[in-house]
Amino acid sequence: AQSVAQPEDQVNVAEGNPLTVKCTYSVSGNPYLFWYVQYPNRGLQFLLKYITGDNLVKGSYGFEAEFNKSQTSFHLKKPSALVSDSALYFCAVGQGTGDKIIFGKGTRLHILP
Amino acid sequence: GAGVSQTPSNKVTEKGKYVELRCDPISGHTALYWYRQSLGQGPEFLIYFQGTGAADDSGLPNDRFFAVRPEGSVSTLKIQRTERGDSAVYLCASSLTSGGYYEQYFGPGTRLTVT
Repeated sequence: AQSVAQPEDQVNVAEGNPLTVKCTYSVSGNPYLFWYVQYPNRGLQFLLKYITGDNLVKGSYGFEAEFNKSQTSFHLKKPSALVSDSALYFCAVGQGTGDKIIFGKGTRLHILP
Repeated sequence: GAGVSQTPSNKVTEKGKYVELRCDPISGHTALYWYRQSLGQGPEFLIYFQGTGAADDSGLPNDRFFAVRPEGSVSTLKIQRTERGDSAVYLCASSLTSGGYYEQYFGPGTRLTVT
């Protein structure tokens, strides 16, 4: 069975600094990996995904994520944080044999002005 | 274009009552997913449809929960004999088709409170 872990409940970063939100996964086959963001009082929004190919994927709002197969990780990154990036971020994993994706518990990102 | 819509946005019901939650997916999306999100947790998979059929209902917690999608568009999640533990935000999502690698588009959710 697939699973995903987000080891940090909350991450605080000063505006303008780089940010990283961590995610590790476990699947029996090749993973499909996703990041979603949830702003207050709004639905989850897709940020980016890794299916195959280049390990560095770029997504919306300047975010990117790096797939690392040996470390089974898919950390979310951004070179320069904005206060408006403050939100709840979810990592999710699926696998090739099925359509179900499993979400992590989420990491709350606080960007401090 | 219109996104995924869910009605009602909030539902308060008494323990033991029956509730129906509705999801209207993005037009043309053949796959539809239901999740439940409790406070402080990520979305928990319940069931997904490809077209009219339930392709995977392994996340439904028990037989009080049932979902339908009779015409391959709108879906209804039905909960019988509600319990206080059913209180959560119920999320619906749709994607272009099934396949696991297509991103899902989420609705705003229905907040269910069982008193």
